[in-house]
Amino acid sequence: SQKIEQNSEALNIQEGKTATLTCNYTNYSPAYLQWYRQDPGRGPVFLLLIRENEKEKRKERLKVTFDTTLKQSLFHITASQPADSATYLCALRQAGTALIFGKGTTLSVSS
Amino acid sequence: SAVISQKPSRDICQRGTSLTIQCQVDSQVTMMFWYRQQPGQSLTLIATANQGSEATYESGFVIDKFPISRPNLTFSTLTVSNMSPEDSSIYLCSVGTDTDTQYFGPGTRLTVL
Repeated sequence: SQKIEQNSEALNIQEGKTATLTCNYTNYSPAYLQWYRQDPGRGPVFLLLIRENEKEKRKERLKVTFDTTLKQSLFHITASQPADSATYLCALRQAGTALIFGKGTTLSVSS
Repeated sequence: SAVISQKPSRDICQRGTSLTIQCQVDSQVTMMFWYRQQPGQSLTLIATANQGSEATYESGFVIDKFPISRPNLTFSTLTVSNMSPEDSSIYLCSVGTDTDTQYFGPGTRLTVL
């Protein structure tokens, strides 16, 4: 069956450390993967998109990797801050389908 | 980017009634979508709202339960009909762009008693 899984429901780290979130998928051939941030009571906010032919994408303190062999994307936040605390959603799209979301990982950064 | 507003932001409704959720975008967009996010679950696409034609529904969602209107390129409504407690959820409007980015509205939190 097709699955998109974000391995941890919750991740707690200390301020200044690097947070690494994992997204694995099964039986999909995504054209691209996206990462979104969602704060309580708000809609998801787009962060980064990485295509199947790209290995890595960066935006400020954010970095996304995409390994089509492992069927995995990693999302890194370096020098994390309490303001980074939120739920992060992975989403993928393959030809002919809509965007498919994982359940999300809730990140808590303590000072 | 697109700025999306939704009304109402939240509502509490009695079972058997219907609620219409409005979605307004600050610019003309081709692609508009409606999602549902149930507690502890991922976002699930309900349908794509097509301007000038009937919406395209995903498996498990039907027009009689979730009628959608899209009268122009900046506005859409989703109605949740004959509600039951299982319909309690957050309903989100989203728009797509040429760069494959999607923007989401703030959501409508619906509680059905």
